[in-house]
Amino acid sequence: QSALTQPASVSGSPGQSITISCTGTSSDVGGYNYVSWYQQHPGKAPKLMIYDVSNRPSGVSNRFSGSKSGNTASLTISGLQAEDEADYYCSSYTSSSTVYVFGTGTKVTVL
Amino acid sequence: QVQLQESGPGLVKPSQTLSLTCTVSGGSISSGSYYWSWIRQPAGKGLEWIGRIYTSGSTNYNPSLKSRVTISVDTSKNQFSLKLSSVTAADTAVYYCARDLGRGALDYWGQGTLVTVSS
Repeated sequence: QSALTQPASVSGSPGQSITISCTGTSSDVGGYNYVSWYQQHPGKAPKLMIYDVSNRPSGVSNRFSGSKSGNTASLTISGLQAEDEADYYCSSYTSSSTVYVFGTGTKVTVL
Repeated sequence: QVQLQESGPGLVKPSQTLSLTCTVSGGSISSGSYYWSWIRQPAGKGLEWIGRIYTSGSTNYNPSLKSRVTISVDTSKNQFSLKLSSVTAADTAVYYCARDLGRGALDYWGQGTLVTVSS
């Protein structure tokens, strides 16, 4: 089971919106509405930001939103803030025996 | 508020078995329909899902590690554990435990523990 494909880096200025893509296959991203997104600051544990493609856990800012089209899921951060600078990982349930697969990770830089 | 804490040796010799425990507080490990997962992250690299256990004791493992991994649960201690046998330097990583909503949504994570494989 290969990792889901994410861009290595995405950047934006404060206040702007950015979108991170997560591309898989029909066996994972495209086959289930079970895509999650995690934010990870250096030296910290990942934090769940989005689950089930577009649901936000309690306490997560509504500046974060998720969507999916076909085999590609996306995370959009609107009104970019300095504290959004972090690594972001997608993950998906998969029909393979792997069960879960993570994305390659995207470093978000706030210019 | 659910909290998870990993514990175990930070240094393991090659060919030996890595053993970690995750202690859950703020709620019973056997309440609710949750899985409990282990994930690892080598320095500077991405996340790798290792496996999970349901409160009934049923398990799923990453096929790439399946032959070396055992995950177990001790409900009396509110803990679940990871054993990874025949370790090599490639198993050096930060190991995380997490609560798993059952569809890849890992909503509570431990702080992580660094395990180094070296003689």
